[in-house]
Amino acid sequence: DTGVSQDPRHKITKRGQNVTFRCDPISEHNRLYWYRQTLGQGPEFLTYFQNEAQLEKSRLLSDRFSAERPKGSFSTLEIQRTEQGDSAMYLCASSLKAATEAFFGQGTRLTVV
Amino acid sequence: AQTVTQSQPEMSVQEAETVTLSCTYDTSESDYYLFWYKQPPSRQMILVIRQEAYKQQNATENRFSVNFQKAAKSFSLKISDSQLGDAAMYFCAYRSHNTGNQFYFGTGTSLTVIP
Repeated sequence: DTGVSQDPRHKITKRGQNVTFRCDPISEHNRLYWYRQTLGQGPEFLTYFQNEAQLEKSRLLSDRFSAERPKGSFSTLEIQRTEQGDSAMYLCASSLKAATEAFFGQGTRLTVV
Repeated sequence: AQTVTQSQPEMSVQEAETVTLSCTYDTSESDYYLFWYKQPPSRQMILVIRQEAYKQQNATENRFSVNFQKAAKSFSLKISDSQLGDAAMYFCAYRSHNTGNQFYFGTGTSLTVIP
């Protein structure tokens, strides 16, 4: 399967713990996005990478959130000191260039208890 | 920032019938892209159809077609001959051509297909 892959699919964590999610984009795609989706809402933009450079971050991405994309391949999204409000589906997507659609992974569902 | 509005939280259609999902958007740009994505329960989001704003011709993909009204900033999705597998959340999305680093999504329409 050469689609966008996300790991883990589900994560349950206690409030205050740190969590890290991984995204493997489609191999030739240089653009990578992270989105957050809560129940009943559409995906909300978090951050965007072109190759290894993080070019844009949403106001939603507080200081507790950090994302990396070393060597322009896979990406990680870390949430420190998780809060119940962080419970959501975290979606990763990749695209080849600005003029094309993005391909989404299956997401990581985070539950903070 | 651009906003995308889907005013129909839920829609239903009889199998084999036609249904239209509505989407409006707000932008001051003239060059952009519009998309409809489908998200089945517990499955990943997949692209249904895409429209470039500079094209006057409405996009069509098999049973899926759009009615793109640029002046009215409207982008509706028509599903013909509805099938049980069409049941899903449908999201309308906007992407700028010039600053296309993110997609703006609507809140989605949940489509039920009645056998």
